[in-house]
Amino acid sequence: DAEITQSPRHKITETGRQVTLACHQTWNHNNMFWYRQDLGHGLRLIHYSYGVQDTNKGEVSDGYSVSRSNTEDLPLTLESAASSQTSVYFCASRPGLASDTQYFGPGTRLTVL
Amino acid sequence: QQQVKQSPQSLIVQKGGISIINCAYENTAFDYFPWYQQFPGKGPALLIAIRPDVSEKKEGRFTISFNKSAKQFSLHIMDSQPGDSATYFCAASIAAGNKLTFGGGTRVLVKP
Repeated sequence: DAEITQSPRHKITETGRQVTLACHQTWNHNNMFWYRQDLGHGLRLIHYSYGVQDTNKGEVSDGYSVSRSNTEDLPLTLESAASSQTSVYFCASRPGLASDTQYFGPGTRLTVL
Repeated sequence: QQQVKQSPQSLIVQKGGISIINCAYENTAFDYFPWYQQFPGKGPALLIAIRPDVSEKKEGRFTISFNKSAKQFSLHIMDSQPGDSATYFCAASIAAGNKLTFGGGTRVLVKP
């Protein structure tokens, strides 16, 4: 079955290190999104992409970057991890015009010490 | 600036009761309003969605009520079941499927 996966599921890192979170979907969806989830804030958009080589900043993009070299993957990089980036990160994808629904991955819990 | 405000933050309801979650938005350009359900350790999943051209949408025990003039919408869970215990998020976007702006979430606990 087609799906969206995230790896790792749990990650502990130290302040100042570079961290990359992977997101892979097998639906061939054009639109992909990264959100972070924090208590009381719901999910907040970090970056999004509407296709290969297209990337856009969301509302909380400072300290994060993404790249889209193929349809299936949208890795999220924390250039220099900070304690404020401790969070649960969700990747989502959407088919494009075929559907309104965003499909979410299982999440990555990141702890920055 | 939180563009979508959700209340209450948590809710306890008895089995068979009605759960009501409310959301208010500020941006009048929003034209797609989904509700997502999230179980512990899982990603959110679309539950039901509405567009502003209708005032109500029902799917099984779940109903969205939409008030365009008041810029408010709500989720009603009828005959609440223990399996409905989850966190619920309202959201809004300009054009369906585009980037979503989420409310803060409501944790619902249905007691047997």
